[in-house]
Amino acid sequence: QVQLVQSGAEVKKPGASVKVSCKASGYTLTSYHMHWVRQAPGQGLEWMGITRSSSGNAEYAQKFQGRVTLTRDTSTSTVYMELSSLTSEDTAVYYCARERVEAYYFEYWGQGTLVTVSS
Amino acid sequence: EIVLTQSPGTLSLSPGERATLSCRASQSVSSSYLVWYQQKSGQAPRLLIYGASSRAIGIPDRFSGSGSGTDFTLTISRLEPEDFAVYYCQQYGSLQYTFGQGTKLEIK
Repeated sequence: QVQLVQSGAEVKKPGASVKVSCKASGYTLTSYHMHWVRQAPGQGLEWMGITRSSSGNAEYAQKFQGRVTLTRDTSTSTVYMELSSLTSEDTAVYYCARERVEAYYFEYWGQGTLVTVSS
Repeated sequence: EIVLTQSPGTLSLSPGERATLSCRASQSVSSSYLVWYQQKSGQAPRLLIYGASSRAIGIPDRFSGSGSGTDFTLTISRLEPEDFAVYYCQQYGSLQYTFGQGTKLEIK
C-alpha cells in the first residue's frame, strides 16, 4: 500500500535552515508528482511546491521562491524539502503529498513534520 | 492567484442533520480542478471529493459535491459523529494550488 513517511520533528533557531524528508513506498516515485504543503498552528493549508514525476524538476509557490528547495533521491524513493532563512512564521507542520499526474489534487499525504522556529 | 473563500467559518450542527459548506472562488475555476478535503485534529487532510463532484475511494455516499464557475458546495446529507472536522476546498490554476481557509464543522 502507498505510504509516505516523513522525518521527525525539528527545532531550529531563526535564520537557520531545515531539511525534511519524505520516504515513499508502495509505488514508483518517478510515476507521480510530489508536493509539499504546510500548516501553521491553528491555521489553514498552504501549498509550497512540487517535484515533478519523471523529470524531478521542481516548481515553487511564489511566496517561497528563493527560500525553498525541493529535491529527491530516486535510489531511496525519498523526497526532500529544505527551507532556509527561517523565522517564527515558519513554525508549522509540513506535509508531503502525492499527486497522480494531471490529477491536480493530493490523494496521499505524509503524517506531517512539525518544525518549530524559536530562539 | 485565485482566492478561495469558504463559508461559514464555523458550522454548528447535530448528528443526523444536513451540512452545506460553501467555497467561492475569486475567478472562475474549472470544475475538474476543484477538490474537497476533510481534516481531523492532529491528522493529515483526507481527500473527499475531486473534480467538484466525484467521491474519492472509500468516501461514504452521504458526502457529495456540486457547483461550477465560482461557486462550489460540499454537502453531507446526514451527519455522523465522525464527520465533525475541518473541511478545505482546493483548486488548481495557473501552475498554482490554493486552498480555502477552511470550515470547522462542530457538534451543536
